[in-house]
Amino acid sequence: EPEVTQTPSHQVTQMGQEVILRCVPISNHLYFYWYRQILGQKVEFLVSFYNNEISEKSEIFDDQFSVERPDGSNFTLKIRSTKLEDSAMYFCASSVRIRGSEQYFGPGTRLTVT
Amino acid sequence: QQQVKQSPQSLIVQKGGISIINCAYENTAFDYFPWYQQFPGKGPALLIAIRPDVSEKKEGRFTISFNKSAKQFSLHIMDSQPGDSATYFCAASREQAGSQGNLIFGKGTKLSVKP
Repeated sequence: EPEVTQTPSHQVTQMGQEVILRCVPISNHLYFYWYRQILGQKVEFLVSFYNNEISEKSEIFDDQFSVERPDGSNFTLKIRSTKLEDSAMYFCASSVRIRGSEQYFGPGTRLTVT
Repeated sequence: QQQVKQSPQSLIVQKGGISIINCAYENTAFDYFPWYQQFPGKGPALLIAIRPDVSEKKEGRFTISFNKSAKQFSLHIMDSQPGDSATYFCAASREQAGSQGNLIFGKGTKLSVKP
């Protein structure tokens, strides 16, 4: 069964450093999402991406964040200058379409900022 | 108005019992209500979902009940099994034209099923 993959599974970085989290969505999917989950809390929407551009973003997704689909398979989330409060589990998700289509989530990348 | 409120925060049920988790929403524009199951160290996985044109949906031991007028929906797990022990999230989104389908999640319910 096709699945969303994410790398790395765990990233440790120092405050102020840039990180790039990588995702490979399911191949025929067109809609891509990033969510985050701070330890023990709910999953929060960050950004949605369609047709090579951001379609919606939350208040959390400020100027320190950016997303890119550099080729036909990868979907990346960059945090330019990490803060302690960026420590969380970051999930990538994808879907074929919006209506009537499930969002499939990847296993997540645990980001630890020290 | 974008919030989805979920209760209880944690739930302990005996094997064979019924687990019930409740959610409430405020935004009447929401028209898709999925439940996700998450095991430790894994991403959320879709369990079952409902749209407002029906009041109940059943898949195996899992049932969603939906009350549009009360803006509430709930997950019932019949004959709960130890393998059902996980965190369950309700969510809501808009699927209409112009929406991007991003999910608004509840805070989650940690279910423990005791043998």
